[in-house]
Amino acid sequence: DTEVTQTPKHLVMGMTNKKSLKCEQHMGHRAMYWYKQKAKKPPELMFVYSYEKLSINESVPSRFSPECPNSSLLNLHLHALQPEDSALYLCASSPLGGFDQETQYFGPGTRLLVL
Amino acid sequence: AQSVTQLDSQVPVFEEAPVELRCNYSSSVSVYLFWYVQYPNQGLQLLLKYLSGSTLVKGINGFEAEFNKSQTSFHLRKPSVHISDTAEYFCAVTVGGGKLIFGQGTELSVKP
Repeated sequence: DTEVTQTPKHLVMGMTNKKSLKCEQHMGHRAMYWYKQKAKKPPELMFVYSYEKLSINESVPSRFSPECPNSSLLNLHLHALQPEDSALYLCASSPLGGFDQETQYFGPGTRLLVL
Repeated sequence: AQSVTQLDSQVPVFEEAPVELRCNYSSSVSVYLFWYVQYPNQGLQLLLKYLSGSTLVKGINGFEAEFNKSQTSFHLRKPSVHISDTAEYFCAVTVGGGKLIFGQGTELSVKP
C-alpha cells in the first residue's frame, strides 16, 4: 500500500456543525501533515505530527483541532467554521518523522464547503 | 527566511514543444528543493527533488531540473510535453521540521 487516503472526498457543513476529516496511510510513515489549499493558491501548512506528537502548529484557529490516534491515522476535527474556511484540505505523510530532506506523499484531499 | 518564487503564473505551450518552468529561491544556507505537480482535482505528486550532489536532477515523466547556486534557481524542464502534462506545478523548499513552503504555482497548459 503506497498511498495516502482521505475521507470524505467532499464535505458541506454549516457554521454550527461539527465534522471530522480522516487521513490514513499504511506505509509505516512517522510524520503526518495537514495542509489547507484555497483555489488557485499553493498549499499552506497547518499542522505536523511527528511520531504521533504535534510538532508544528502554524497558529491555526482553535476551530480546527488535529488528532493523531496512532501512527497510521490523522484526523482533523472541525467546529464552528467560517465560510472563508472553505478549501481543499490535504493530508500528507513522510517516512522518517519530518526531516527536511524527506519526500511528502499527499492524499487526494477533502474539498470542504462551509455555508 | 527561506522562500521560493515562481516567475510565471501561466505557461501555455503546444504539444511536443519544450518547456521550462522557472523557480528562484532565497536562502543563505543549504537548501532542499522540490518540484510537485497537481493534476486537476487531485493531490500533489513529487516530480523530483534536489538534496545535494549532482546539480542536474532527473524526475518522473521525463522532467528534469537544474540546481544553480550562483543564480539561486531551480528551473524545471521537459524537452517535449504531452497533453497529459497539463497541470499546476509547484516549486517548494523546506524550512525546518519538514515544513514545506510552496511557490505560487505555475499553470502549464499544453495545447494540441
